This record gives sequence, C-alpha cells and structure tokens, in this order.
Amino acid sequence: RKEVEQDPGPFNVPEGATVAFNCTYSNSASQSFFWYRQDCRKEPKLLMSVYSSGNEDGRFTAQLNRASQYISLLIRDSKLSDSATYLCVVHGGGGSQGNLIFGKGTKLSVKP
Amino acid sequence: DAGITQSPRHKVTETGTPVTLRCHQTENHRYMYWYRQDPGHGLRLIHYSYGVKDTDKGEVSDGYSVSRSKTEDFLLTLESATSSQTSVYFCAISESRRGNTIYFGEGSWLTVV
Repeated sequence: RKEVEQDPGPFNVPEGATVAFNCTYSNSASQSFFWYRQDCRKEPKLLMSVYSSGNEDGRFTAQLNRASQYISLLIRDSKLSDSATYLCVVHGGGGSQGNLIFGKGTKLSVKP
Repeated sequence: DAGITQSPRHKVTETGTPVTLRCHQTENHRYMYWYRQDPGHGLRLIHYSYGVKDTDKGEVSDGYSVSRSKTEDFLLTLESATSSQTSVYFCAISESRRGNTIYFGEGSWLTVV
C-alpha cells in the first residue's frame, strides 16, 4: 500500500457543483494532516490543516477518519478559480525522519 | 507569502556539469528542505536541514549534496548533472518538523541536456 494515495482525477465539474476528494494513508501513527493547493507551474500552498474534529473554512470542509486512515476535502459551490491540483499531505509519525509525505495530487477543473 | 527566494528560477545545463540551486529565506525558520517534483511521482524530499551545518538525507538524495552555512541560505548542488535530474525543484521552510506548516518557494526549473 502506498504511503499516501489520492485519486489523480481529473475531476471535471461545472461551476456551483460540490466535489469531494479522498486521500488514504498507510501509517497509522501519522499525526498531522494537510491539504495543499497547487496551481499549474506554481508552488504548493497550504489550503487547510485537517483536525480530528473536522474543520471548515468557507466553502471548504476537511475531515479526518483515523480508524479508516483517510482524509477528505469537500468543496461546495465550486468556482472557476478552484481549478488546481489538490495535494494530500501527511506528517509521518515516529522515527527520526518524520517528514511530510505528499500524495500525487488530484486535479480539479471547474468549467463555466 | 513566505519570504523564500529561489535562484536561478530557470536553468538549462549540460550533462556532467555541476549545478547549484540557492534558497534564501527571510523568516528565520529553523528547517529548510529541498524537494523535487516530477510527473507521476509527486513531491519527493531530497535533503533537509535542521540548523546551520546540520543536514540529513531524504528519499531521493543520490547525486545531490547540500550545504547550510547560514540560517537563511540552503544550497542544493548536483555534482554532475544527469538527464534524470531534469525536474522542478522546490525549496521549503518550516519552524519545526512536526505539525508546523511548510511553506514553499516558487520553484527552480532545471533542464539537463
């Protein structure tokens, strides 16, 4: 099982649609979780951290399910500007490395 | 935006030549990282630093070396560039390794011909 897995997409949705991305991770000791957004030929930027209780930021909602080892990102009322690649990021638990593990990203394209 | 500057932003070099990429930060963050991003692989850690002169290897460190002589600067050197090192390289910084947000520079596009 890969450390962090995401559906690569692309997800093609119309403006105003609700879209959800899932991400699974293999290390049950992982402690921190994030969603990053990356526009074409740009650097990744933090979209939101993911907390155990779930968290919401405007049209974006992130959820964590530790038992099933997956996190999700829900985008409501999609905008054209939401078109990007969304990276699931997991902070590894334990050991001297403890580095971030990046998923390969899910591409979202919002159409008029 | 986080104060991270990468140079050069774009470079074309020949196989076998040494190449150095520079990352400069103005945030005084302790941790600095070099990643490469390739289609089908996502972001992979090359090396990271947890302080001046303190560095460690990441997932794909072969063929790369790093140096950090000052808090604000982290250099990535390709000793003898190969075509497989054609990639986009991102520098990143964070205050700590666990739980803190990581911020990326704008990237350096390297082509080895």
